[in-house]
Amino acid sequence: DGGITQSPKYLFRKEGQNVTLSCEQNLNHDAMYWYRQDPGQGLRLIYYSQIVNDFQKGDIAEGYSVSREKKESFPLTVTSAQKNPTAFYLCASSPTGRYGYTFGSGTRLTVV
Amino acid sequence: GENVEQHPSTLSVQEGDSAVIKCTYSDSASNYFPWYKQELGKRPQLIIDIRSNVGEKKDQRIAVTLNKTAKHFSLHITETQPEDSAVYFCAASKTSYDKVIFGPGTSLSVIP
Repeated sequence: DGGITQSPKYLFRKEGQNVTLSCEQNLNHDAMYWYRQDPGQGLRLIYYSQIVNDFQKGDIAEGYSVSREKKESFPLTVTSAQKNPTAFYLCASSPTGRYGYTFGSGTRLTVV
Repeated sequence: GENVEQHPSTLSVQEGDSAVIKCTYSDSASNYFPWYKQELGKRPQLIIDIRSNVGEKKDQRIAVTLNKTAKHFSLHITETQPEDSAVYFCAASKTSYDKVIFGPGTSLSVIP
């Protein structure tokens, strides 16, 4: 069953901690994306990667980091520099040369 | 960078009536305009899309129109049903290789 999997579904972070959100896809898609969703603000792009070992900052990259060592995986680290990390995080992927995203089911991160 | 605006932010209609959501975009180089539906607690799913070489596209009760000159595009849902209740996002991108920029979303409620 092909798809894109995000884990964990819920994540709690203490002040000053770094946390890593997982995103794995078995769709053989080249491009992967991380979006942050806040109520009333839609989806804002954090980072994206169009090819292994390469990635670009989106509109709100400050306080986040990513890696793309494998085609299937695009983990997002929320660092302590991100002052307001509580949000719903969505990972997406798309095939090169074709339109349309496939989204994961999301991770809800809460600072405690 | 690209900016996508969306109106209204909330919309309530009676079951069976039509619903219209309007979006504008800033980058005249954009040529792909998808619409996503997100039900409560779920991932966004692509419901219809349109490319700049087409002025209108229909899929059963859903239609999208595009005015490239005015940089406007709209989603029309006819004969609305309670299961149409969700948040709808419009979006824009330049090419299939490019990132997608989302509007802030419209929360549609269909009242039985």
